[in-house]
Amino acid sequence: NAGVMQNPRHLVRRRGQEARLRCSPMKGHSHVYWYRQLPEEGLKFMVYLQKENIIDESGMPKERFSAEFPKEGPSILRIQQVVRGDSAAYFCASSLTAGDEQFFGPGTRLTVL
Amino acid sequence: QKEVEQNSGPLSVPEGAIASLNCTYSDRVSQSFFWYRQYSGKSPELIMSIYSNGDKEDGRFTAQLNKASQYVSLLIRDSQPSDSATYLCAVNAGGTSYGKLTFGQGTILTVHP
Repeated sequence: NAGVMQNPRHLVRRRGQEARLRCSPMKGHSHVYWYRQLPEEGLKFMVYLQKENIIDESGMPKERFSAEFPKEGPSILRIQQVVRGDSAAYFCASSLTAGDEQFFGPGTRLTVL
Repeated sequence: QKEVEQNSGPLSVPEGAIASLNCTYSDRVSQSFFWYRQYSGKSPELIMSIYSNGDKEDGRFTAQLNKASQYVSLLIRDSQPSDSATYLCAVNAGGTSYGKLTFGQGTILTVHP
């Protein structure tokens, strides 16, 4: 039973480019969450999605960041016009129901040059 | 006031001892509580979940929850060097925040042989 999958595992972008991070939840899970961990900082919630719906985006920066979880395919976290401060580890988690245990993927480590 | 507080440590215990990790939270309507372990450069790994007052045991791990005191703890018995990691307390607040996890800063645990 595959766990949460994320790709790419490492992503290097130059300032101003776009970054697309993908997440496939565990089999049977329809709740997906994105978290960011800045260097030497804690994990911070970004967004919570169910299929085709954004449930809670209270942790998303107001500009340049967007997320989706289409009916088919993985969830996507998109960062437009990246800046050096976006360099971080981005983790996706999934759960069976809201409030249930969340299982994390391996993360995508984004480096902005 | 931070929403979820942990002692950052480092907490150092000898092999075979009991390690005690503590966490307090500010939101009284919080409903579910989790402990994650994170090795350096890796993703968080779920160790324990606890939803009601009292103790919950799983192998060498015991989680304790006291909602009246807004306190949750994790005990690790017979600590092993492989337990050396950062331990993250996470709280699912409930209400309009239901689903998202709020993490503490983490406690660094070192188990020395």
